[in-house]
Amino acid sequence: NAGVTQTPKFRVLKTGQSMTLLCAQDMNHEYMYWYRQDPGMGLRLIHYSVGEGTTAKGEVPDGYNVSRLKKQNFLLGLESAAPSQTSVYFCASRRTDRVGGNEQFFGPGTRLTVL
Amino acid sequence: AQSVTQLDSQVPVFEEAPVELRCNYSSSVSVYLFWYVQYPNQGLQLLLKYLSGSTLVESINGFEAEFNKSQTSFHLRKPSVHISDTAEYFCAVSERGYQKVTFGTGTKLQVIP
Repeated sequence: NAGVTQTPKFRVLKTGQSMTLLCAQDMNHEYMYWYRQDPGMGLRLIHYSVGEGTTAKGEVPDGYNVSRLKKQNFLLGLESAAPSQTSVYFCASRRTDRVGGNEQFFGPGTRLTVL
Repeated sequence: AQSVTQLDSQVPVFEEAPVELRCNYSSSVSVYLFWYVQYPNQGLQLLLKYLSGSTLVESINGFEAEFNKSQTSFHLRKPSVHISDTAEYFCAVSERGYQKVTFGTGTKLQVIP
């Protein structure tokens, strides 16, 4: 099992450019999440999905869009990148088994710089 | 709404000394509680979790945390730290039946040789 993978690992964009971050999981998890991590602010939820074809807004959704066309993939898009979106982005997934709690499995992260 | 507070942003401690990383949460319903660890340039890994039952939970590498409902706390402790414990530690809470997890701002543990 590869677990949760993210591509790319690093990316530098110019203001106004667009890009898509890909998250893939091979654990057949229903739920998937996108977070951003900034110094001193912990992890903040951008968007999440509770199943294929569904998405919902998190704490900081502005400037981002997501899609979950396949159960194993969760895409995060930036239509017009801004310097404020410079951050490290983490994807996570978890199963729906409530007996097991809400343990999330994280990807290695994507470091994005917007100039 | 659920929330998590980690008051200590950095905790320096000498090797082989004990350490406590503090976590307090706020919620009006029953919760699951987690500690995650993040080593430099890596993603988060689950360290331990409280779901129900015994209020004292342990990890495989010597950390433990105790769920204290009256004080709404879930402090992380280790009796003797090692250099390899240097990392950032995140406390997280999730209300039962809720799809989202709320993370604290993290505590950087720096173990000094």
